[in-house]
Amino acid sequence: SQQGEEDPQALSIQEGENATMNCSYKTSINNLQWYRQNSGRGLVHLILIRSNEREKHSGRLRVTLDTSKKSSSLLITASRAADTASYFCATVNTDKLIFGTGTRLQVFP
Amino acid sequence: GAGVSQSPSNKVTEKGKDVELRCDPISGHTALYWYRQSLGQGLEFLIYFQGNSAPDKSGLPSDRFSAERTGGSVSTLTIQRTQQEDSAVYLCASSLGRGPYNSPLHFGNGTRLTVT
Repeated sequence: SQQGEEDPQALSIQEGENATMNCSYKTSINNLQWYRQNSGRGLVHLILIRSNEREKHSGRLRVTLDTSKKSSSLLITASRAADTASYFCATVNTDKLIFGTGTRLQVFP
Repeated sequence: GAGVSQSPSNKVTEKGKDVELRCDPISGHTALYWYRQSLGQGLEFLIYFQGNSAPDKSGLPSDRFSAERTGGSVSTLTIQRTQQEDSAVYLCASSLGRGPYNSPLHFGNGTRLTVT
């Protein structure tokens, strides 16, 4: 079963623009994590935000969490062509990390 | 240091044959996960090992799927009597401690399984 749903499913932007991806989930969480997957590769962890946190930054990444709305967003600022990848949110469910359906981001140079 | 290693990277098999997929987690990681990813889709949880505890097999899609983890390290995912719908990328991940409550998952690059 999938806990999270990302929106949009696909996003195309120009280099330098910001990219915003949203994630909605269904049950209460301990934490929410974002991962990136380059084509043909495994997933790489980007950032973890705990349920008692509302915002977290890491470099050009900004993640927000709204537990009342059961939603999170990932903002990538000043995007680069190298940011082209699929992005997944994931939530913890009884010791398992359950992933959403992903957003495919394409950044054009 | 060394990351999660999966082998083979690609496997083509005929329908009805058995396959074994191998995962070498990061040394010292007690939690190990298997996921399946169909083309262009999200990740489907299959099975989770934590230390010496009984594995959580709740995601295995049928009794043709099984997995074991020997000595708390290397894991093997076995699919018996493969079907075409088993074609997917099988991803392994490991993490420290009690899995994702505190530690991120580290993924291998996966095994792409094609059943003809």
